[in-house]
Amino acid sequence: AQTVTQSQPEMSVQEAETVTLSCTYDTSESDYYLFWYKQPPSRQMILVIRQEAYKQQNATENRFSVNFQKAAKSFSLKISDSQLGDAAMYFCAYREDSGYALNFGKGTSLLVTP
Amino acid sequence: DAGITQSPRYKITETGRQVTLMCHQTWSHSYMFWYRQDLGHGLRLIYYSAAADITDKGEVPDGYVVSRSKTENFPLTLESATRSQTSVYFCASSERASAYNEQFFGPGTRLTVL
Repeated sequence: AQTVTQSQPEMSVQEAETVTLSCTYDTSESDYYLFWYKQPPSRQMILVIRQEAYKQQNATENRFSVNFQKAAKSFSLKISDSQLGDAAMYFCAYREDSGYALNFGKGTSLLVTP
Repeated sequence: DAGITQSPRYKITETGRQVTLMCHQTWSHSYMFWYRQDLGHGLRLIYYSAAADITDKGEVPDGYVVSRSKTENFPLTLESATRSQTSVYFCASSERASAYNEQFFGPGTRLTVL
C-alpha cells in the first residue's frame, strides 16, 4: 500500500492566523488523487479539499488551499483566517486513479486558540 | 435524506463474542467500505464492496466477515471478538470507484472488546 506520512502529530494556531499542515506520500503511480479530511470531535469525516495529480493548479476551497508539489510528493494544507471551528483532526489521504480505497496518514490534531 | 447511518454508535462486548456492526445508505451507491480507526494508524480499510454480492478484502481483513445482499446495507461481523479489535469503525460509500467520486462516511461505531 502507498504510504502517506503526516509528520506533525499536533499543531496550534491562533484565531485569524494561517497554519500549514504537512503531508508527504510515496507512490510510483503518475495518476492519483489526494484528499484532506477533517474529523471534528463528533468523529464525522468531512472532505475538505481534493487534488487531481494531473492538474498543476493547486486546489482551493474558500479558506482552505493546498500546495501540491508532485515531484517532491508533497501535499500540504493551508488554512487561512483560522476559526475556532477549524479545531479538529486532519487526515491526508491518497487514492490511485484506478483504485477504490483511501490510504490515510496518521493525522494531525489542530488546536485553535482565541 | 438520512445519507449513511451506522448502528450501534457504541458497543461494549466481551472477548469471543460475535458482534455485527450495521451500515445503511440511502443513496443507492454502488461502492461501500469499512475502515477502522486506531490511534497512531489513521483509518485502514477492512473490506469493500463494489455491488451487491461482490466483496473483497482490504488491508486488515483478518477476523472480520462482510456480506452485501442488498445494495443499501453492508454489515460487518466480528465472528469472535478480540481485544485488538477495539476500535472506531467507519462505513463509507461512493457512487463509483473512480477517485473523483467522493466517499461519504457514516458517523462511526466505537467498539470496545473487554
